[in-house]
Amino acid sequence: DTGVSQDPRHKITKRGQNVTFRCDPISEHNRLYWYRQTLGQGPEFLTYFQNEAQLEKSRLLSDRFSAERPKGSFSTLEIQRTEQGDSAMYLCASSLGQYNSPLHFGNGTRLTVT
Amino acid sequence: KQEVTQIPAALSVPEGENLVLNCSFTDSAIYNLQWFRQDPGKGLTSLLLIQSSQREQTSGRLNASLDKSSGRSTLYIAASQPGDSATYLCAVKGSNFGNEKLTFGTGTRLTIIP
Repeated sequence: DTGVSQDPRHKITKRGQNVTFRCDPISEHNRLYWYRQTLGQGPEFLTYFQNEAQLEKSRLLSDRFSAERPKGSFSTLEIQRTEQGDSAMYLCASSLGQYNSPLHFGNGTRLTVT
Repeated sequence: KQEVTQIPAALSVPEGENLVLNCSFTDSAIYNLQWFRQDPGKGLTSLLLIQSSQREQTSGRLNASLDKSSGRSTLYIAASQPGDSATYLCAVKGSNFGNEKLTFGTGTRLTIIP
């Protein structure tokens, strides 16, 4: 069990550019979640997958955001036409399929849009 | 809409003291409550998960309690150590079927003074 891995750790981009983040969950976990955290705030839910199916999306996930988990293993989160308000820590988490399974988080990708 | 509050926002205590962190939530229809710690610039580490049918959970020096009817949870840390310095977040999962979203508080930043 190597934990949840996220790449890159930091990303600096100019406004208007597209960025993509990757998350590798714990191998036996079939649920994968994306959260966003801004400074001084708790994480906010963005979306989650059960295997390869995206089952829930937050209203925070505008049309510029898209997430995929093509083979039910790793996931990508893409932000198109980035805006300064997208600057945040993007956290990925995974869990087993049981409803009371705790979430295990990665160390996040910190995005800075200049 | 579920709202989670953590007071105080910051707390400093001398090493060796016992302390209590507070979490309150507005909607008592929860499935579980989870406590996390977050070190600066890092992801979240799950500490304890309490199911809605439980009153408390213990792990080492940590004890979390849950009073669902009053919308409150506490995290008790015994014999605090400098390594306990971190931000502590609580999060609740709603009880409606298919809801996988965790709603987080903004955290309590704990500093243990050597």
